Amino acid sequence: QQQVKQSPQSLIVQKGGISIINCAYENTAFDYFPWYQQFPGKGPALLIAIRPDVSEKKEGRFTISFNKSAKQFSLHIMDSQPGDSATYFCAASMVSRKLVFGQGTRLTINP
Amino acid sequence: KAGVTQTPRYLIKTRGQQVTLSCSPISGHRSVSWYQQTPGQGLQFLFEYFSETQRNKGNFPGRFSGRQFSNSRSEMNVSTLELGDSALYLCASSLAALESHEQYFGPGTRLTVT
Repeated sequence: QQQVKQSPQSLIVQKGGISIINCAYENTAFDYFPWYQQFPGKGPALLIAIRPDVSEKKEGRFTISFNKSAKQFSLHIMDSQPGDSATYFCAASMVSRKLVFGQGTRLTINP
Repeated sequence: KAGVTQTPRYLIKTRGQQVTLSCSPISGHRSVSWYQQTPGQGLQFLFEYFSETQRNKGNFPGRFSGRQFSNSRSEMNVSTLELGDSALYLCASSLAALESHEQYFGPGTRLTVT
């Protein structure tokens, strides 16, 4: 019930391509869905977040798509760049603000 | 604004010892949460403090404890260290306002238990 399942575990995309990472959840009480980006040796950095009353949110090259009925959400990175190579985590939380994280996706952008 | 700061950045301890980690949240943020990150278990919630009170707790043994001071700075303590406690310990701060869920992470403290 508290799990967030993330796929794929690793992803290789060519420079300029679209990177897509997917997450699924079970608990319908979750009401906040952020994505974090983490570089080696650094803490996770908040990238973009969405609430369940919105189906899509775009910030620059990053877009979250949210499907409430399917209990799924995804991160799309348009025009992927080598500097986007990092580990990405989806997460979900409720009023408690306790973040439940997916297992992470290691993204590599080939130049 | 300065980000979340954590000290020390690296620690090496021996099994059975205890350790204290420190976190200073973003100025104005009143909630501090702690997470443990390991390759096997990923990112797991330890506890959250708000106004010097523990508001939420994850599924970790009582050896893991924390506290928050009146200036919102927080410390986390692990007693009787075990090899499996080796991890990156992350602190995240939040405004804790009703409509604000954003949590901002510090760089973490890398704890190695030998």
